[in-house]
Amino acid sequence: DAGVIQSPRHEVTEMGQEVTLRCKPISGHDYLFWYRQTMMRGLELLIYFNNNVPIDDSGMPEDRFSAKMPNASFSTLKIQPSEPRDSAVYFCASSLGAALHSFGNQPQHFGDGTRLSIL
Amino acid sequence: AQSVTQPDIHITVSEGASLELRCNYSYGATPYLFWYVQSPGQGLQLLLKYFSGDTLVQGIKGFEAEFKRSQSSFNLRKPSVHWSDAAEYFCAVAADTGRRALTFGSGTRLQVQP
Repeated sequence: DAGVIQSPRHEVTEMGQEVTLRCKPISGHDYLFWYRQTMMRGLELLIYFNNNVPIDDSGMPEDRFSAKMPNASFSTLKIQPSEPRDSAVYFCASSLGAALHSFGNQPQHFGDGTRLSIL
Repeated sequence: AQSVTQPDIHITVSEGASLELRCNYSYGATPYLFWYVQSPGQGLQLLLKYFSGDTLVQGIKGFEAEFKRSQSSFNLRKPSVHWSDAAEYFCAVAADTGRRALTFGSGTRLQVQP
């Protein structure tokens, strides 16, 4: 089975440019998560969706960041305008929703990440 | 809010030696606990999980972890380390409040000496 697919794997762009990261979750999964990984802050949740609806975006750093999920098989994370401090590895993960008591049986599956460098 | 502490940033062990990676969590109720491994340039792969029942859980690649409520710990162990185990290991916790997101520890980088 195909796992979570992220594109691009690497992105290098100049400060001020718009950046769009893409994610295709595992087919049938109804939860999608965006995480950011940096040396300073480790792995932190940015936003997550359930059935294409954003549930919790409290981790989105500021208005320059936006995320959408137009359908069950595609999500984007956009940064506009980008800044050097946005340089990080961005991960997408998906999971199959489950009743609360069995959540532990439905772990999150991660993509290989997008390494973003803003010059 | 829940939190996770991994006190060891970097650990070096010899191939064939035993391994224990420490994880302490902070959460008022019974947590869901996970260990993930990240190889260089890769995403995170789930090693094992705990959410109830037997406090000693077995995972993939010969790893196991023990949940100790009294110590708020969920340490990862392996009896004999292989060179291919060199990677970064993350402990994570999820609350049973309905919020599906994971809170990760800062990670422990494992180096394996021949």
